[in-house]
Amino acid sequence: GESVGLHLPTLSVQEGDNSIINCAYSNSASDYFIWYKQESGKGPQFIIDIRSNMDKRQGQRVTVLLNKTVKHLSLQIAATQPGDSAVYFCAERARDSNYQLIWGAGTKLIIKP
Amino acid sequence: NAGVMQNPRHLVRRRGQEARLRCSPMKGHSHVYWYRQLPEEGLKFMVYLQKENIIDESGMPKERFSAEFPKEGPSILRIQQVVRGDSAAYFCASSPPLAGAPYEQYFGPGTRLTVT
Repeated sequence: GESVGLHLPTLSVQEGDNSIINCAYSNSASDYFIWYKQESGKGPQFIIDIRSNMDKRQGQRVTVLLNKTVKHLSLQIAATQPGDSAVYFCAERARDSNYQLIWGAGTKLIIKP
Repeated sequence: NAGVMQNPRHLVRRRGQEARLRCSPMKGHSHVYWYRQLPEEGLKFMVYLQKENIIDESGMPKERFSAEFPKEGPSILRIQQVVRGDSAAYFCASSPPLAGAPYEQYFGPGTRLTVT
């Protein structure tokens, strides 16, 4: 069945360093992926998305890389700041749906001062 | 412009009681989605509603759970005869008319339901 999983449940990064959060997915036919940030006590917040016809997409301080060969997705955050502390989820679009996403379990990003 | 609002933020119910969770979408949004999040897990889609219509309830348990989005007022997720396994965070998201892409969903802060 379809599933999205994350390699590490917790990632500790020094403030100012770059963070890389990884995600594996199982459905090779998936055509759309999205990263969300969820701060403690809040709902998920959209960060960046990528379609399967792209390998890379950049936003403000964030980059998403998609490797379809190994079904791997990563989120890179440049110059990590204390405000980046959160749980990060990757998700893929469910088959035949414009709105249903299949979510991974999440990676908690901890910023060390 | 207020975001998606959910209340209550925390709800404690004893086994067998009913839980009612409310969601007020963003102004101008007519689509509402409900999700459940168990501890240490991602969100799981439950139901998608438009005003007075259930569009997709494929993620909703067949028994005890129901959702509505009336013409006036908030969307309600109702859980009857709650059991311990219903303990979770329930998130609501809304999107504007004619939207459908996942990123166009804006999430509320969630309701944490604890069943004792």
